[in-house]
Amino acid sequence: GAVVSQHPSRVICKSGTSVKIECRSLDFQATTMFWYRQFPKQSLMLMATSNEGSKATYEQGVEKDKFLINHASLTLSTLTVTSAHPEDSSFYICSARATLAHEQYFGPGTRLTVT
Amino acid sequence: GQNIDQPTEMTATEGAIVQINCTYQTSGFNGLFWYQQHAGEAPTFLSYNVLDGLEEKGRFSSFLSRSKGYSYLLLKELQMKDSASYLCAVGLRQGGKLIFGQGTELSVKP
Repeated sequence: GAVVSQHPSRVICKSGTSVKIECRSLDFQATTMFWYRQFPKQSLMLMATSNEGSKATYEQGVEKDKFLINHASLTLSTLTVTSAHPEDSSFYICSARATLAHEQYFGPGTRLTVT
Repeated sequence: GQNIDQPTEMTATEGAIVQINCTYQTSGFNGLFWYQQHAGEAPTFLSYNVLDGLEEKGRFSSFLSRSKGYSYLLLKELQMKDSASYLCAVGLRQGGKLIFGQGTELSVKP
């Protein structure tokens, strides 16, 4: 149980374009989903918390107009990186937490490369 | 603010025992998590401690002392496949967020 999927696993895009990443909880309902970014040899940095049916809460320093988050259902959250730049190249990981649960289950991650 | 410290890297021998320490300072503490992450992959959940004491799960054990802001992950009978990054994360009551330490890169040598 507690499987989280992400799509795509890898994406290469040109500078200035937008990329959408999907995060799905496959066998449970996720009231809350989290989006992280991880640069090489560094730990996970929380970008935003996504609650179903409400606006996402962004961490300090994360541009909400650049990283658009939508959590339209209890099993799906999307992150759209708008007007991507090479410095946005990173490993983006989502996690999902079931209602009243403590642990977060992570998706397999999406490797974004902006050229 | 939140502050989590763990060693950057450790080396141990196959079959041995290794202890990875984590100290933290935080407000709104709601548990201490340990995750394992292999290179290029997402973290996998190892353990969760919210009360003081030791939690044992097979070869892995995790300890928490809330008064000292201290936790450790104990790995026994090390195997080569245990070579990975081990992430200490503090859970916060606010929004159920996790704040991660920088991770400890463990290398298991034959």
